[in-house]
Amino acid sequence: QVQLVQSGAEVKKPGASVKVSCKASGYTFTGYYIHWVRQAPGQGLEWMGWINPNSGGTKYAQKFQDWVTMTRDTSISTAYMALSSLRSDDTAVYYCAREALSTGYFEYWGQGTLVTVSS
Amino acid sequence: QSVLTQPPSVSGAPGQRVTISCTGSSSNIGAGYDVHWYQQLPGTAPKLLIYGNSNRPSGVPDRFSGSKSGTSASLAITGLQAEDEADYYCQSYDSSLSALYVFGAGTKVTVL
Repeated sequence: QVQLVQSGAEVKKPGASVKVSCKASGYTFTGYYIHWVRQAPGQGLEWMGWINPNSGGTKYAQKFQDWVTMTRDTSISTAYMALSSLRSDDTAVYYCAREALSTGYFEYWGQGTLVTVSS
Repeated sequence: QSVLTQPPSVSGAPGQRVTISCTGSSSNIGAGYDVHWYQQLPGTAPKLLIYGNSNRPSGVPDRFSGSKSGTSASLAITGLQAEDEADYYCQSYDSSLSALYVFGAGTKVTVL
């Protein structure tokens, strides 16, 4: 069965960087886009961007364009999301999600990774 | 400020029918892009509930139904059950430059 398993919770100081991983299993990793969505405490869902695991191509939401980097390692079927220059309002749960083939919706989600930014 | 507008909360007694609206604009729902719905139980990841406006993934009870018209969409839950108490989010695609995939702010469904 399809699974997306994310790395564990992180605590970072303001100005630091964080890298969250998302390991895929149960399907051909290079066949489906991986998206990243975040959710601040008590808030809604916010789309950050996607990566095409086949080509490595990316598309970021304008808000995150200058400080997010999405990469992948096809040898271990893992996608990564790195966020730099962290601020306290980056404290959130970060989810990876697989998009169903060019359909615009997210059919499988990782369990989420809590990133806490605090001095 | 979310691109898609949802009511913050709706409530109903067990067995009742509740609906959640999702209002967009000419750059997303009104442009013909599909609307999808997710259910998020407390402390868990979102789960796909409705895709392509009105389609249910395998395993989703037929108590859940979706529709779309113009610049809006709706999610209906009939025969409300205690386990339906959750947050519900609509999502669509947006052709503006700021974000391609947009969500509503979420609606908390409370079973009285």
